[in-house]
Amino acid sequence: AQSVTQLGSHVSVSEGALVLLRCNYSSSVPPYLFWYVQYPNQGLQLLLKYTSAATLVKGINGFEAEFKKSETSFHLTKPSAHMSDAAEYFCAVSGDRRGGADGLTFGKGTHLIIQP
Amino acid sequence: ETGVTQSPTHLIKTRGQQVTLRCSSQSGHNTVSWYQQALGQGPQFIFQYYREEENGRGNFPPRFSGLQFPNYSSELNVNALELDDSALYLCASSPGDSKSIRGYTFGSGTRLTVV
Repeated sequence: AQSVTQLGSHVSVSEGALVLLRCNYSSSVPPYLFWYVQYPNQGLQLLLKYTSAATLVKGINGFEAEFKKSETSFHLTKPSAHMSDAAEYFCAVSGDRRGGADGLTFGKGTHLIIQP
Repeated sequence: ETGVTQSPTHLIKTRGQQVTLRCSSQSGHNTVSWYQQALGQGPQFIFQYYREEENGRGNFPPRFSGLQFPNYSSELNVNALELDDSALYLCASSPGDSKSIRGYTFGSGTRLTVV
């Protein structure tokens, strides 16, 4: 079984400040990990994914995440927040090494608020 | 290339009715999966289809069923609708075989309201 815990249902940062969204996972097999962003009334857009290559993963819009096996974490960061980053962010895990049939298990999401 | 398109965008149904939601996969993608996203929650995996066969299912009752067609488009059918079925239903497609992790492309979803 696999699970994802996102710490903090809401995170508020000032424009230009560091963004840190936390994600911890549980998986019985080496995981594949994903971060998705969802804007209001829209579907999910893939920000980045970890697939057992480099532990520091760079994604779109200046986001990156670091896989830390010892901490079972995959936190999402961005050095400088922009107003357009305000959205809902979801961490997800696929426990099957080849992904697919078990689908993605998502966390409950973190709502990122950017203050001017 | 076109992305994943879902129809309708919004739907209102009465408890006990049946509903069909539709999804067109991204070009070149032969695997389709469906997710239910309740308000304020993360998406939950319903099932996945690969080459017209269901090859994975989450913790959803049999009244949730699906189809995948030769052109890789898909339908989600829900029978005997309950109030708790009100949610955003997301379709996602991916390329390659049934266990590809190269990426899931999500549609914008269908907002289902059961009254």
